[in-house]
Amino acid sequence: DAGVIQSPRHEVTEMGQEVTLRCKPISGHNSLFWYRQTMMRGLELLIYFNNNVPIDDSGMPEDRFSAKMPNASFSTLKIQPSEPRDSAVYFCASRITGVPYNEQFFGPGTRLTVL
Amino acid sequence: AQSVTQLGSHVSVSEGALVLLRCNYSSSVPPYLFWYVQYPNQGLQLLLKYTTGATLVKGINGFEAEFKKSETSFHLTKPSAHMSDAAEYFCAVSDQGSGTYKYIFGTGTRLKVLA
Repeated sequence: DAGVIQSPRHEVTEMGQEVTLRCKPISGHNSLFWYRQTMMRGLELLIYFNNNVPIDDSGMPEDRFSAKMPNASFSTLKIQPSEPRDSAVYFCASRITGVPYNEQFFGPGTRLTVL
Repeated sequence: AQSVTQLGSHVSVSEGALVLLRCNYSSSVPPYLFWYVQYPNQGLQLLLKYTTGATLVKGINGFEAEFKKSETSFHLTKPSAHMSDAAEYFCAVSDQGSGTYKYIFGTGTRLKVLA
């Protein structure tokens, strides 16, 4: 299995631009998580989906952030407009839901730099 | 609600020395506990997990952790550190209270191995 796939791996953009991060979970996994990692705040859960439905988006920092999961094999995290403080590494993770101790499998992350 | 505390954001050990990374949890129900490792510029990778049964859990790369209910701890150890162990380590608990089983991560401990 290819694991969780994220694209792009690096993104540099200017303040005010729209940014779209993409994630392909492991086939057969029905839970998907978006995290943000910064030096200051550590690892933060932004949102997660079960069976393509958003369950908890309480970690989404502002309305500028939105996430979708149109099907079981694809999810996007969009920032519009982007700001320098959004610079971080964004991780996607997936797991098989229903069993509380099933591990989450993480993607390699997207390093976002907003100038 | 569950929570996790990792004592020591940075730990340095000499090559060949014992590695001890501390994790304490808070949970009103029997916890499911995890240790993840993050190597530079990579995503998180599962080291080991505790579900039920044997309290000493062995993981990859020679790491192990012991679940101690009386101390609400799940410390990670390795008898002899190797240079390749330099990474950031995260303890996590599965959030069972909400029924969502999302992870609650600690703030991480960065391990430095000295030659």
